[in-house]
Amino acid sequence: NAGVTQTPKFRILKIGQSMTLQCTQDMNHNYMYWYRQDPGMGLKLIYYSVGAGITDKGEVPNGYNVSRSTTEDFPLRLELAAPSQTSVYFCASSYSILGQGDYNSPLHFGNGTRLTVT
Amino acid sequence: GQQVMQIPQYQHVQEGEDFTTYCNSSTTLSNIQWYKQRPGGHPVFLIQLVKSGEVKKQKRLTFQFGEAKKNSSLHITATQTTDVGTYFCAVRPRSNDYKLSFGAGTTVTVRA
Repeated sequence: NAGVTQTPKFRILKIGQSMTLQCTQDMNHNYMYWYRQDPGMGLKLIYYSVGAGITDKGEVPNGYNVSRSTTEDFPLRLELAAPSQTSVYFCASSYSILGQGDYNSPLHFGNGTRLTVT
Repeated sequence: GQQVMQIPQYQHVQEGEDFTTYCNSSTTLSNIQWYKQRPGGHPVFLIQLVKSGEVKKQKRLTFQFGEAKKNSSLHITATQTTDVGTYFCAVRPRSNDYKLSFGAGTTVTVRA
C-alpha cells in the first residue's frame, strides 16, 4: 500500500516557468490537500478538495491552480513561477467521517516536493 | 491565517530531561490533532483529542486538551534522541470544517 505519492521529489525552476506537482493516493480518500512549508514555519494550506470535481482555495492560493478529475489524483499547477514559491510542498489526504461528532480523520502526507525558483 | 499559536518555537533539551510544548487558540475548538515531523521528513499523525480535559498517553508522550477546549499541551518525559523533530498542533474550528490549520510548530533538539 503506497499511501500518498508525490512526484518529483526535487525540482529547480527558472522564474516564469511552469510546472505541475503530481499527487496520487491509493487509500480511496475523498479529501485531498496541498500545503506549502517554508523554513521555520508551519504548513500553509494552498488548495483542498472534498471529492472528484470539487476544489476550493485555502490560505495561500495565489499563483497556483488545482484540478481533481479522479478520486486518486490531485495535481498542483504553478504558472509563471516566482522566487516566493520556493518551498517544500506536501500533498495530504484523509477520509470523511459522518456522524462521528467532533472526531475528524487524520491527514496522511506524501514525502514532499522540494521546489526552488531562481 | 493560523488559528493557533505554539510555544515555544524552539526547545533545546538535555537527553533524559522532560519538556512541554503548548498550543493555544483564541476560539473554542472541536478537536485538536498533533503531528511530528522528523528532519527532512513529512508530518506524521500522532494523536487526536476531542473531549474537554482529555488526557492521552503514548509511552513517554502525554497529550492534554484544556477544559475550555482552547489549548492543548504535549509533555515528553525522559527525552531521547529519537524525539528530535518538529511537533505541530492542527485544528479545525468546527467539526465540519474541511480545512485543517497548522501551528508554526515546536522544533526540538536534544543534547546527548
